[in-house]
Amino acid sequence: AQKITQTQPGMFVQEKEAVTLDCTYDTSDPSYGLFWYKQPSSGEMIFLIYQGSYDQQNATEGRYSLNFQKARKSANLVISASQLGDSAMYFCAMSPGYSTLTFGKGTMLLVSP
Amino acid sequence: EPEVTQTPSHQVTQMGQEVILRCVPISNHLYFYWYRQILGQKVEFLVSFYNNEISEKSEIFDDQFSVERPDGSNFTLKIRSTKLEDSAMYFCASKKGPTDTQYFGPGTRLTVL
Repeated sequence: AQKITQTQPGMFVQEKEAVTLDCTYDTSDPSYGLFWYKQPSSGEMIFLIYQGSYDQQNATEGRYSLNFQKARKSANLVISASQLGDSAMYFCAMSPGYSTLTFGKGTMLLVSP
Repeated sequence: EPEVTQTPSHQVTQMGQEVILRCVPISNHLYFYWYRQILGQKVEFLVSFYNNEISEKSEIFDDQFSVERPDGSNFTLKIRSTKLEDSAMYFCASKKGPTDTQYFGPGTRLTVL
């Protein structure tokens, strides 16, 4: 069965600091995608970053990077230089066989001035 | 930049009534999805649609639910006889190709009274 685990219900970080949001996954499918989405209080789901299971390098998108450790089945999101606008719920998701998305329970990130 | 749109943004209905939630996926996308998120919980997969037919559905997607692509642009989710527990945010998502990222619409918040 596919499973995504986000063990941090909430995280606090000061503006301009870096923060790591944890995500572990479980799948028997050798081919899968890993995704992070941001959900601000307004409710929409905003795609942040993607990592393919066969990608050799960690994905980066601006201030977002994905620390992919395949042997540990982890796909942690690193946000560098946090901004107040980063305060939101963050969901890790997996697409085994690149089909549907299975989501974790999310981590609420609060960035303080 | 093209985006997924959903209407209405909010829908309030009485238990037992039928509702239709509408989505316009990104125009050159071929794979379409519905997800739901009960308040405070994680996002759950409902159904995927490709080549004018359902490709996968979850156990949540029972006989009360149906999807349709009535024309070249709209993708709808119908709930035949709503229950209180159908109250949730419903997200439509689409992607271009099998290994591409799914992009989400802003969601429809459904409240069943």
